[in-house]
Amino acid sequence: DAGVTQSPTHLIKTRGQQVTLRCSPKSGHDTVSWYQQALGQGPQFIFQYYEEEERQRGNFPDRFSGHQFPNYSSELNVNALLLGDSALYLCASTPQGVGVETQYFGPGTRLLVL
Amino acid sequence: RKEVEQDPGPFNVPEGATVAFNCTYSNSASQSFFWYRQDCRKEPKLLMSVYSSGNEDGRFTAQLNRASQYISLLIRDSKLSDSATYLCVVNPWGYNKLIFGAGTRLAVHP
Repeated sequence: DAGVTQSPTHLIKTRGQQVTLRCSPKSGHDTVSWYQQALGQGPQFIFQYYEEEERQRGNFPDRFSGHQFPNYSSELNVNALLLGDSALYLCASTPQGVGVETQYFGPGTRLLVL
Repeated sequence: RKEVEQDPGPFNVPEGATVAFNCTYSNSASQSFFWYRQDCRKEPKLLMSVYSSGNEDGRFTAQLNRASQYISLLIRDSKLSDSATYLCVVNPWGYNKLIFGAGTRLAVHP
């Protein structure tokens, strides 16, 4: 049973560019959350998708947007990249109706903005 | 003020030592509490949930004090493999998201 998978594993972009990160949830999970983890900090909640809709959102600007597909996979898009967007981006999946303690994290995508 | 605050660390301890991590949270409406472990350049993984009655899992003991909004983790008989960053995590009431502290790094040496 594959866990949460993310692609790519690493990415280098320059300021002003746009990036798309991808996540496939664990089998049987239909809810996907995205987190940003800057160096030396804990993960920060960006948003959560369920039934192809953004259900909750953290304190992130509109440059951060997402999408969920019918197969429950998800994308995180970041426009107009800033140096401060350099971070590890984590995807976590959860089965619907179950608490967050069952949230499984993927290995993350490490984004460097130059 | 951060929603979840932890000891900054790092903690450098010898094998066999007992080490305690502390954490405070600001939202009294928080409903669930956890400790996660994160190895270097890896994703966070759930170590244990934390309950008001206290709970133990082998060498690990977690405690929650709702009145003081305080969470602790005690690791007994530290092993080299315990070296990692320990994240204090809170789930606010009515939200299906996790709020993480900045983490405390533990280094266990021979």
